[in-house]
Amino acid sequence: NAGVTQTPKFQVLKTGQSMTLQCAQDMNHNSMYWYRQDPGMGLRLIYYSASEGTTDKGEVPNGYNVSRLNKREFSLRLESAAPSQTSVYFCASSEAHGRLGELFFGEGSRLTVL
Amino acid sequence: KNEVEQSPQNLTAQEGEFITINCSYSVGISALHWLQQHPGGGIVSLFMLSSGKKKHGRLIATINIQEKHSSLHITASHPRDSAVYICAVGEWGNTGNQFYFGTGTSLTVIP
Repeated sequence: NAGVTQTPKFQVLKTGQSMTLQCAQDMNHNSMYWYRQDPGMGLRLIYYSASEGTTDKGEVPNGYNVSRLNKREFSLRLESAAPSQTSVYFCASSEAHGRLGELFFGEGSRLTVL
Repeated sequence: KNEVEQSPQNLTAQEGEFITINCSYSVGISALHWLQQHPGGGIVSLFMLSSGKKKHGRLIATINIQEKHSSLHITASHPRDSAVYICAVGEWGNTGNQFYFGTGTSLTVIP
């Protein structure tokens, strides 16, 4: 059972470089999310997609872009990485059509920007 | 603003002790979630509940909707329970489920 798969697990970038984090889920969920996790702070929402074809900004969207490629895939792009984007990134999915939608997470991607 | 507050932030217990982690929230919710994250690991869902109480093995989760409060209990704690426990609330709206997260409770169980 794959659930939510995200890649890469680790990445080191130099300031100004770009990269894309990939996420895919095989549970036919409508809603997908990208969060970042920093020490001493709760998970913070970067972007989310309530359904295929829609994306919306979360709490901390600056410096990021997203693409909901299809129902399965939701990617996060850093166009010009900055040290402040050093963090652990989690992709998650949930079933939007149920009020009691359980939340499933990927394994996380640890990004370091030098 | 913190929609979800957890206490304590850190907790150390001896193996076998009964443990309680508390969560208070300020938003209207569709469900409350308890999540577990082992060091360097991913995040897994332990419980999702909207009322009453749920039990899985040695873990028990309760929620009081009127008081906007939930507790996670671990009975007969074991070193493998050492992890960060995160409380999250789901709020159902026009754009689907939005989730708000506490900052987590770091639990260490000493043999």
